Amino acid sequence: LAKTTQPISMDSYEGQEVNITCSHNNIATNDYITWYQQFPSQGPRFIIQGYKTKVTNEVASLFIPADRKSSTLSLPRVSLSDTAVYYCLVGDMYSGGGADGLTFGKGTHLIIQP
Amino acid sequence: ETGVTQTPRHLVMGMTNKKSLKCEQHLGHNAMYWYKQSAKKPLELMFVYSLEERVENNSVPSRFSPECPNSSHLFLHLHTLQPEDSALYLCASRSGTSGNNEQFFGPGTRLTVL
Repeated sequence: LAKTTQPISMDSYEGQEVNITCSHNNIATNDYITWYQQFPSQGPRFIIQGYKTKVTNEVASLFIPADRKSSTLSLPRVSLSDTAVYYCLVGDMYSGGGADGLTFGKGTHLIIQP
Repeated sequence: ETGVTQTPRHLVMGMTNKKSLKCEQHLGHNAMYWYKQSAKKPLELMFVYSLEERVENNSVPSRFSPECPNSSHLFLHLHTLQPEDSALYLCASRSGTSGNNEQFFGPGTRLTVL
């Protein structure tokens, strides 16, 4: 499994755009990049997933450069409720019949201030 | 709400007790997972079930015993636990088909072992 490296913590303010970068130098050809969000004492929640270039959904964008050795989760106009831990995961969606468990790192603790 | 429910939400037990955690999903998923999240540690994958068969056991002590009677239910039977087993236990499910590694997590059971 490709190892991921993220900043341990980040601070920002309401209304700002927040970009969290994840490094995954050993990403494999079949690996996808997935981001999860977790609030205290809750299970993680899927945010976004991508393979290359840019993916956007209603809550975030994911930017992946051509070499795929890193990715950036972009949260537009954050609010206090975006304070959470954000996890970057890399894995092969096509292995093991699709039942592989996820390997979580320590994540990035994002703190949004008023 | 993710469609994955867990009961109980909180559990306090002594080291000699036997208890069970329950997870239920009616999302039509055929892969289910148990994770453990201790304080200030990353989520740890414990068990993976695919089509009701255990496909992964991450060196979990035998005092944790999973059971998957059908594709909608997953149990974690607990006996003679230790105080260091106190943690948030999370259940997750996934469609199990290739090309989609989004996991849906339950709210977790906060376990305290006295």
